[in-house]
Amino acid sequence: LAKTTQPISMDSYEGQEVNITCSHNNIATNDYITWYQQFPSQGPRFIIQGYKTKVTNEVASLFIPADRKSSTLSLPRVSLSDTAVYYCLVGGYGQNFVFGPGTRLSVLP
Amino acid sequence: DTGVSQDPRHKITKRGQNVTFRCDPISEHNRLYWYRQTLGQGPEFLTYFQNEAQLEKSRLLSDRFSAERPKGSFSTLEIQRTEQGDSAMYLCASSLSAGGQGDFNEQFFGPGTRLTVL
Repeated sequence: LAKTTQPISMDSYEGQEVNITCSHNNIATNDYITWYQQFPSQGPRFIIQGYKTKVTNEVASLFIPADRKSSTLSLPRVSLSDTAVYYCLVGGYGQNFVFGPGTRLSVLP
Repeated sequence: DTGVSQDPRHKITKRGQNVTFRCDPISEHNRLYWYRQTLGQGPEFLTYFQNEAQLEKSRLLSDRFSAERPKGSFSTLEIQRTEQGDSAMYLCASSLSAGGQGDFNEQFFGPGTRLTVL
């Protein structure tokens, strides 16, 4: 399984765009990149998944460069309610989910 | 509510006692997972089912742990002779999979059962 590295924590202010970068240098050809969000005392929640280039949904964008050795989750105009832990996962068919410690995002007023 | 549900939400027990947790997945989902999460860490995979078949077990799942999914619907996770190190949040997730061993389809997580072993 590809190992991922993320910042342990990040701070931001309301209304700002937040970019969380995940490194996955040994990503395999058939691996996807998936991001989850977790609030305290809740299970993780799927945010976005991608394979290459850019993926956008109603809550976030995922940027994946051509070499796929990293990815960036972009949260536009964060609010206090976006304070959570964000996990980057890399894997594909035949594998199970491996969560790292994640990035603890704190959004300040 | 048609999401994943878990029962109980909290369980306090004394060391050496047995505990059982239940997970009800989203009804049409054929895959069910169990994870364990301790404070400050991400969820750790324990085991998963494809319908009623238990297809993979992590080495974290000692012989004191057993999971079942009779009839491919709800699942139970039992811990026998609990130890203080078993204190954690136990998360259940489900997904709809096309088949094969593992895939990266979106998993839907329940709220978890928080176990405290005194």
